[in-house]
Amino acid sequence: GAVVSQHPSRVICKSGTSVKIECRSLDFQATTMFWYRQFPKQSLMLMATSNEGSKATYEQGVEKDKFLINHASLTLSTLTVTSAHPEDSSFYICSARVGRDQETQYFGPGTRLLVL
Amino acid sequence: LAKTTQPISMDSYEGQEVNITCSHNNIATNDYITWYQQFPSQGPRFIIQGYKTKVTNEVASLFIPADRKSSTLSLPRVSLSDTAVYYCLVGDTGKLIFGQGTTLQVKP
Repeated sequence: GAVVSQHPSRVICKSGTSVKIECRSLDFQATTMFWYRQFPKQSLMLMATSNEGSKATYEQGVEKDKFLINHASLTLSTLTVTSAHPEDSSFYICSARVGRDQETQYFGPGTRLLVL
Repeated sequence: LAKTTQPISMDSYEGQEVNITCSHNNIATNDYITWYQQFPSQGPRFIIQGYKTKVTNEVASLFIPADRKSSTLSLPRVSLSDTAVYYCLVGDTGKLIFGQGTTLQVKP
């Protein structure tokens, strides 16, 4: 199956700093990638849809100026958490869509962010 | 986007067949049904996808009745390592909205 990687796998930062998370499709090109956030014992929550070469589409309630998304190539999307605060601590997961006619998304392993 | 309803939790024993049913009454004509498995602190793993009737792969089977308002994921002979959360999703537009999923606990 298609492989999606994320880097870093975990990161600890101080409050007020910015953190960048990378999502890469390793063996396929992904025109569309998605970013999710998952809090402990909860389900995944879609944050935004990342489209190669265009602006990301954010879900309601997700601050676009705080969660900056860049999808500069067909294999890389980045999520930058700006001015991170402890409440941003969470598990961030990306996915990439494969195919055009049916909905198959492959997920990355996730990035654990802890903001102190 | 069609909403899905699954049991919150299920228990099983090693070696048994497990069937998890998902309801999606408002599924649209173009929607596919996809199941994912998630272990703690890992991203969801694709299990199986189908549109209608039955789909089988090396790890599971997916049964979809003619009206497509529900689907059943069948896991043959589960082992302890199948303990995980299983998500049923429907869609075609690219956005996948996750429900609470079904926490499967396999006991020895």
